[in-house]
Amino acid sequence: VQVVESGGGLVQPGGSLRLSCAASGFTFSSYWMTWVRQAPGKGLEWVANIKQDGSEKYYVDSLKGRFTISRDNAKNTLYLQMNSLRVEDTAVYYCARRTSSTNCYGGHCYYYFYMDVWGRGTKVTVSS
Amino acid sequence: DIQMTQSPPSLSASVGDRVTITCRASRSISSSLNWYRQKPGQAPELLIYAVSSLQSGVPSRFSGSESGTHFTLTISSLQPEDFATYYCQQSYSTPLTFGGGTKVESK
Repeated sequence: VQVVESGGGLVQPGGSLRLSCAASGFTFSSYWMTWVRQAPGKGLEWVANIKQDGSEKYYVDSLKGRFTISRDNAKNTLYLQMNSLRVEDTAVYYCARRTSSTNCYGGHCYYYFYMDVWGRGTKVTVSS
Repeated sequence: DIQMTQSPPSLSASVGDRVTITCRASRSISSSLNWYRQKPGQAPELLIYAVSSLQSGVPSRFSGSESGTHFTLTISSLQPEDFATYYCQQSYSTPLTFGGGTKVESK
C-alpha cells in the first residue's frame, strides 16, 4: 500500500504546475484522497479533498480558484493543478489516503476520518 | 474554521520519560481528533485516530484521551525514534485543520 507523488519543481511566480500521486496496493477508487502541504520549517496545512468518484471536492478557502484537485480512477492517480503560483505556495506537497471508521452504540453510528497512508511528498519552489 | 491549539510548541525529554502533549479545539469536534508523528525529513505518519484508537502497527506506548475540547497524546516511555514533531488534526469539518505542532527534542 503506497502513494508516490511527482511533478514538483522550480516555477516562477504566476506559473503553473500539475502534481501527480500514483496509488498502488489498494483499491484507489474506494477512497477519498487528500493533498496536504508543508512550507519550509512550518506545520501541516490541508489543501484539498476529493471523493471516490470525483463528484465532491473541498478546498481550503485561501486556495480556491487557483488550485484544482482531480483524479483518474482508471490510472489510480490523483492530481493537483496549481495555477497563478505565489512565493508563499513554496512547500512540500503530500498526497494522503483518507480512511474512515465507524463506531455504533446506543442506536447511533459515528464516523471518523483520518489520513492513514502518506507519500514522501514532492517539493514545489516558487521563485524568480 | 475550527482552530487547533497545541502545547507546548516544544519540549525536552530523555529516553524513558513519560511525555504528554495537549491539543485544544476551538469548539466541539465530537471525538474527531487524530495524532500524527513526523520524523525529521520524513512524511507524517498516523499514530492515533478518533481520540484514542491506535493505528495498526503503532506501539502501545502511545495513547490518547479527551476531556471536552481538550485532547492529550501520551507517550508512556519515550524511545529514540520518538524524537520528532507531533501534530493533532481535527476531521470533524472542513477545512481540516492541524495544530501547530510539538517538537520533542533530546534533553
